[in-house]
Amino acid sequence: EAGVVQSPRYKIIEKKQPVAFWCNPISGHNTLYWYRQNLGQGPELLIRYENEEAVDDSQLPKDRFSAERLKGVDSTLKIQPAELGDSAVYLCASSSAAAGNTIYFGEGSWLTVV
Amino acid sequence: GEDVEQSLFLSVREGDSSVINCTYTDSSSTYLYWYKQEPGAGLQLLTYIFSNMDMKQDQRLTVLLNKKDKHLSLRIADTQTGDSAIYFCAERRGGNNRKLIWGLGTSLAVNP
Repeated sequence: EAGVVQSPRYKIIEKKQPVAFWCNPISGHNTLYWYRQNLGQGPELLIRYENEEAVDDSQLPKDRFSAERLKGVDSTLKIQPAELGDSAVYLCASSSAAAGNTIYFGEGSWLTVV
Repeated sequence: GEDVEQSLFLSVREGDSSVINCTYTDSSSTYLYWYKQEPGAGLQLLTYIFSNMDMKQDQRLTVLLNKKDKHLSLRIADTQTGDSAIYFCAERRGGNNRKLIWGLGTSLAVNP
């Protein structure tokens, strides 16, 4: 069974440019998460979806970050415009009640803003 | 990560056992997890334990939970160089909240 798939793996952009990350969760997982992980830190939840509904976006900086999960499967996370402080790893994860709500992570999208 | 604490570094010799410790604060935690992160990679679920269990063993991994002291440990037997990574402890609290509370991670260095 395929795990959580993310792309791109690595991205280098100049500040003020837009960037988008894509995630395909594990098949059948209705819950999808976007986390941000800064160097030397644990992951920080940005947004959690239950199917296509965002049920927890309290930590998402809404002035420049947006996310969508239109059909309740794949999701995209966008930053526009990017700032130097956005350099981090953006991790997508998924879970399902049928699998005990254990959260499985993708390999991450490593963003460097210069 | 202020509610979940881990020591930041651990160094062991190849073949020895490693013990990574974690403390948490919320007594309503339902599940506690150990994730492994290798350089340049995402978070790999290693193992987890339900809060009504004291111990769980899976091959070289042993998880011990002391719920009274809110202390969780991960023991890796016969540690190999491939075990070098950052190990994160995470707790899931009760209710419908699927948010995990994370420690800052313990960097394990295995010396040949």
